[in-house]
Amino acid sequence: EVQVVESGGDLVQPGGSLRLSCVGSGFTLSSYNMNWVRQAPGKGLEWVSYSRGSGSTMYFADSVKGRFTVSRDNAKNSLYLQMNRLRAEDTAVYYCGRNMMGPDDCIDVWGKGTTVTVSS
Amino acid sequence: DIQMTQSPSSVSASVGDNVTITCRASQGISSSLAWYQQKPGKAPKLLMYSASNLQGGVPSRFSGSGSGTEFTLTINSLQPEDFAFYFCQQGDTFPLTFGAGTKVEIK
Repeated sequence: EVQVVESGGDLVQPGGSLRLSCVGSGFTLSSYNMNWVRQAPGKGLEWVSYSRGSGSTMYFADSVKGRFTVSRDNAKNSLYLQMNRLRAEDTAVYYCGRNMMGPDDCIDVWGKGTTVTVSS
Repeated sequence: DIQMTQSPSSVSASVGDNVTITCRASQGISSSLAWYQQKPGKAPKLLMYSASNLQGGVPSRFSGSGSGTEFTLTINSLQPEDFAFYFCQQGDTFPLTFGAGTKVEIK
């Protein structure tokens, strides 16, 4: 079965750091472009970042640019989101999502999410 | 950034009704539009891609149309399992952007 599983969410103080992990199974993660999408409590979906399969190209939402980075470990079929200088407004469920192969950038496989809470 | 405006924000309907949700892009996105369904506490699920292509395993009562700036998602003969939130998302340009969502609830 094709799936992704996120982990690493936690309660962290403002200004702190956290690293989220996303492990793929049933497919080779390095062959796919990948996304992180978040959803604040009671709110809609907000795209956070995109990483090309090769790892050579990454895009970030303005709201996280300069604070968040993405990396991959192909040997572990994993994707990571390093979040630094966290703010209260980063509180959300973070989803890892596989970009669908094709002309459009949309997400065909979603994880169940991991919860990040930024609070003192 | 491309703004996605979704309407209505909520709709009350009965089992068997037909429901149409509209998504408008602030600039042309060709047919680079996806629709997702999300139930409370669950991850989104891809329903449609490239505006009118049904994702595998999605019932045929779901259909999508549109191009450019105007798109619709139609659910024919609403079923109990269809009561959920629906989001559109443009896949034409980064940053990817989502509509604010439509809640389909039971009348």
